[in-house]
Formats: sequence, C-alpha cells, structure tokens
Amino acid sequence: NAGVTQTPKFRVLKTGQSMTLLCAQDMNHEYMYWYRQDPGMGLRLIHYSVGEGTTAKGEVPDGYNVSRLKKQNFLLGLESAAPSQTSVYFCASSSEGGVRTEAFFGQGTRLTVV
Amino acid sequence: GDSVTQMEGPVTLSEEAFLTINCTYTATGYPSLFWYVQYPGEGLQLLLKATKADDKGSNKGFEATYRKETTSFHLEKGSVQVSDSAVYFCALSRTGGGNKLTFGTGTQLKVEL
Repeated sequence: NAGVTQTPKFRVLKTGQSMTLLCAQDMNHEYMYWYRQDPGMGLRLIHYSVGEGTTAKGEVPDGYNVSRLKKQNFLLGLESAAPSQTSVYFCASSSEGGVRTEAFFGQGTRLTVV
Repeated sequence: GDSVTQMEGPVTLSEEAFLTINCTYTATGYPSLFWYVQYPGEGLQLLLKATKADDKGSNKGFEATYRKETTSFHLEKGSVQVSDSAVYFCALSRTGGGNKLTFGTGTQLKVEL
C-alpha cells in the first residue's frame, strides 16, 4: 500500500538554486494538492490539480510552479529558491472534489534553503 | 475568507487523562469539518470527520460534534494513551472549493506515563 509517495524526503538548497519535488499516488485519484507546513501556521495550500493536465493556484502560489502531465504524478517546482521557502512540503490526493472526501497525505519533504 | 482557529499547544497530559482540543471555524455555507492527526515523522492522516450540523465523528476513542450554532468542532477523548502523542489539526472543506482544506495551526499533544 504505497498511497502517496513524495521524493525526496530531505533537501538542502542554496539560495537561487532550483529543484523539483515529485508526488506520486497509486490510488487513481483525480485531485492532487501541494501544501506547505510552517510553525504556528498550520498547512497552507500552494497549488492544486483537479485532473490530468490541469493546475490551479492556492493560497500561497508565488515562487512555485506545478505540472500534472500524468494523472498519478504532481510536480512542484522552485525555480529560484529563497530562504522564505524553507518549510515542510506535503502532497495530498483525493478521489473527488466533494467536501466529504478524505484527503490522503504523503510523508512530507523537509526543504531547507540557506 | 474561511478560517480555522484551534487552541495553542503544546498540551501535556498524564496517561488516562481527559482530552479536549478546542476548534472553531469561520466559513460561508455548510462546510465539512475534519480532524487530522500527524504522528512524529509522518504525514497527516484523517482521524474523524462530520459533514453536517449535529453530526458526531468518532474514531479510536476520539469524538467531535459539529456545532453550527457555536461554529465549533472540539476534539475529545475520555482517556488518552502515550500512543496518542501527536499533532492534531482541525480543518474544513467548503462546497465548491474543490475539496481544498483550510487548516488550523495544529495542537501538539504529549501524553506522559
């Protein structure tokens, strides 16, 4: 039972470097999400996707880009990392967009930008 | 906009003590309400949910009742265990929101012997 898998689990970047976080789900879910978790702020939505080939902005999208070329994968890109992007990033997926639907989360990626 | 407010932690309890974690929300319409739990080093997982007023969600001895009149969804457990030590997040999802979750800041619970 893989569920939602995030790669990598840890990463340290220098300011200005770029990287891509990969999220893969094996539950055939339509909806996928990227959140960031910061101390004292809970989780905040960065971007989300309602199906293959679609993306939309969430609450804090600046400095990030996403792509959903395949239904099972949702990529989060940082083109030019900044210290303010130091955070724990969580990917999630759900089978549909209904309010009653449970979201399944990955184990997180801890990113430090120095 | 939507928001969720939950009590700040950390909360430290002795094993078998009673637990309450307060959660209130602001949202238009009729949101669904959730409690997610995050064990150390892991992602979030759904603990319980309620989708309409007066619904009670329950799981693993935890309970929460959707109170529309007080816009609250407080989490309770009658007797906590050391294994309940985790961070608990209250969240809401609103109709038309694509199941986007709005989270509270999280409450860390530590249960000691």
